[in-house]
Amino acid sequence: GENVEQHPSTLSVQEGDSAVIKCTYSDSASNYFPWYKQELGKGPQLIIDIRSNVGEKKDQRIAVTLNKTAKHFSLHITETQPEDSAVYFCAARQTLGRLYFGRGTQLTVWP
Amino acid sequence: GAGVSQTPSNKVTEKGKYVELRCDPISGHTALYWYRQSLGQGPEFLIYFQGTGAADDSGLPNDRFFAVRPEGSVSTLKIQRTERGDSAVYLCASSLNGPRELFFGEGSRLTVL
Repeated sequence: GENVEQHPSTLSVQEGDSAVIKCTYSDSASNYFPWYKQELGKGPQLIIDIRSNVGEKKDQRIAVTLNKTAKHFSLHITETQPEDSAVYFCAARQTLGRLYFGRGTQLTVWP
Repeated sequence: GAGVSQTPSNKVTEKGKYVELRCDPISGHTALYWYRQSLGQGPEFLIYFQGTGAADDSGLPNDRFFAVRPEGSVSTLKIQRTERGDSAVYLCASSLNGPRELFFGEGSRLTVL
């Protein structure tokens, strides 16, 4: 099966700085890569996703990049705000079926 | 409701007891997933339904775990002879057919004493 590795496990940044979280995957058949944000006591919520026919995708302060050759993808958050503080998960899957999740990154944004 | 609904939100039980966790997906979503999340970990896949049938149940850890979706909507995750290691948050997600976004519920926190 797929194996998704995520780094770092914790990340602290000052408000206004950028944050970058990186993931690698093992299965070259994976073609869908979502990122989820999970706040305390809540379920994961999709914040952005990318498919393997696209190299980069942006949505306001959030961007995701994908390198299929190297099998890695990254989440970039610019101009961070305290409300960005949460656990972020990357995931990968093939066209159908299960999502394989990374172990998560606890992001803390200090005011 | 507009989102995925899970009940109960919290369940405390004793070792050896039987537990049922319920998931009510978003209306019209044909795919339904169960995941388990332990503290400090990412969600771990348990089972995936497409309609009424289990399309992939390879994530169920052993035969104490079973899930049903008899009418293709609500699903129930059943755990027999609970063990302390079953303590976790059980997450349900649903999606439209095909490679679409998964929408998660807020989870059922199970504590086995």
